[in-house]
Amino acid sequence: EIVLTQSPATLSLSPGERATLSCRASQSVSNSLAWYQHKPGQAPRLLIHDATNRATGIPARFSGSGSGTDFTLTISSLEPEDFAVYYCQQRSNWPPDFGGGTKVEI
Amino acid sequence: EVQLVESGGGLVKPGGSLRISCVASGFTFNNFNMNWVRQAPGKGLEWVASISSSGSWIFYADSVKGRFTISRDNGKNSVFLQMDSLRVEDSAVYYCARGLVVAGNFDPWGQGTVVTVSS
Repeated sequence: EIVLTQSPATLSLSPGERATLSCRASQSVSNSLAWYQHKPGQAPRLLIHDATNRATGIPARFSGSGSGTDFTLTISSLEPEDFAVYYCQQRSNWPPDFGGGTKVEI
Repeated sequence: EVQLVESGGGLVKPGGSLRISCVASGFTFNNFNMNWVRQAPGKGLEWVASISSSGSWIFYADSVKGRFTISRDNGKNSVFLQMDSLRVEDSAVYYCARGLVVAGNFDPWGQGTVVTVSS
């Protein structure tokens, strides 16, 4: 089983600042990693798939990088609607588990 | 518009059963694998089960294996999760999600249905 470790657990930032979120896998997942945004009371939303590809309709301020075991989600300039919890997920091996999440708060 | 709508959640006693459903619209349902993911109160996302487009392969998380059964009816654009021998720790919001590829790239997700297991 591949374990995904996200850091930090909480990121306190202001609108306009840059957010850098990390996801580390316990073994290589190649580029088979996705990022999701989840707001309370809403459905999670796919942001990034295959490590670097923005999903349909996702603003350009969201970008993903990395391969193998180390991945990063960057939000270049935080908008008020970006404050949420972000999860990474690997699909290299079953089970396709999620990381523990990073909460981006004001 | 691509849409997933879950239903069937509710309050059930430990050891009881519940069947939740997800109806899809706006896309060719039988071309996609489908998935259930849950979020317990105060916890993160946990993958529960996946089923291929034809139902030929199915996978479960170890935490639900032997107790939960995923199935689909392509004629009714629906996916189901039969939950038996429910435990308190199964209490969660259950989301269905379309899989763009095997085991991942879940998009979109439904709004979720709440399952509460309590005596």
